[in-house]
Amino acid sequence: DGGITQSPKYLFRKEGQNVTLSCEQNLNHDAMYWYRQDPGQGLRLIYYSQIVNDFQKGDIAEGYSVSREKKESFPLTVTSAQKNPTAFYLCASRNQDLYNEQFFGPGTRLTVL
Amino acid sequence: AQKITQTQPGMFVQEKEAVTLDCTYDTSDQSYGLFWYKQPSSGEMIFLIYQGSYDEQNATEGRYSLNFQKARKSANLVISASQLGDSAMYFCAMREERRQFYFGTGTSLTVIP
Repeated sequence: DGGITQSPKYLFRKEGQNVTLSCEQNLNHDAMYWYRQDPGQGLRLIYYSQIVNDFQKGDIAEGYSVSREKKESFPLTVTSAQKNPTAFYLCASRNQDLYNEQFFGPGTRLTVL
Repeated sequence: AQKITQTQPGMFVQEKEAVTLDCTYDTSDQSYGLFWYKQPSSGEMIFLIYQGSYDEQNATEGRYSLNFQKARKSANLVISASQLGDSAMYFCAMREERRQFYFGTGTSLTVIP
């Protein structure tokens, strides 16, 4: 089955700890994205990568870091510098074409205690 | 300026009736793509329909159609014959050529039996 997996589905962390969210895709997509969603709000772009070993900041990159060492994987680290990390995090991927939609993973709900 | 504007935070529709969800966009590009996604309470993002800026016909996918009015920069989603399972958040999104996706703040649709 082709798709995007995110793990874990729910994550609890203490304030001040770094935490890494996993995102893996087997769709052979070049581009991958991380979004943050807060209750009642739309998606805000954190980081995106259009090719291996390259990534760009989105609108709210502060306090986050990413890596793209493999085409299939795009992990997101939420660092202690992120002031309000409790949110729903969505990973997406797509083929590099204007007309192709993004495919989304099931999301990870991060709660910082 | 907002790239995508969805002015209806919440909408109600009677089962089996049609409903229109509004979306306006802002771009100076000639080439762009418009997308609608559905987000049920589970959190996953489900792609519904796509419209390219050069497409002359309105896109349709089953019970979903996109009312594309280029001069007005609007891309409204029409859901015909609403079903209880259509109750969800709906997001309009745009991608300009070679750039990131922009999402609206969403419309919460409730289908009443």
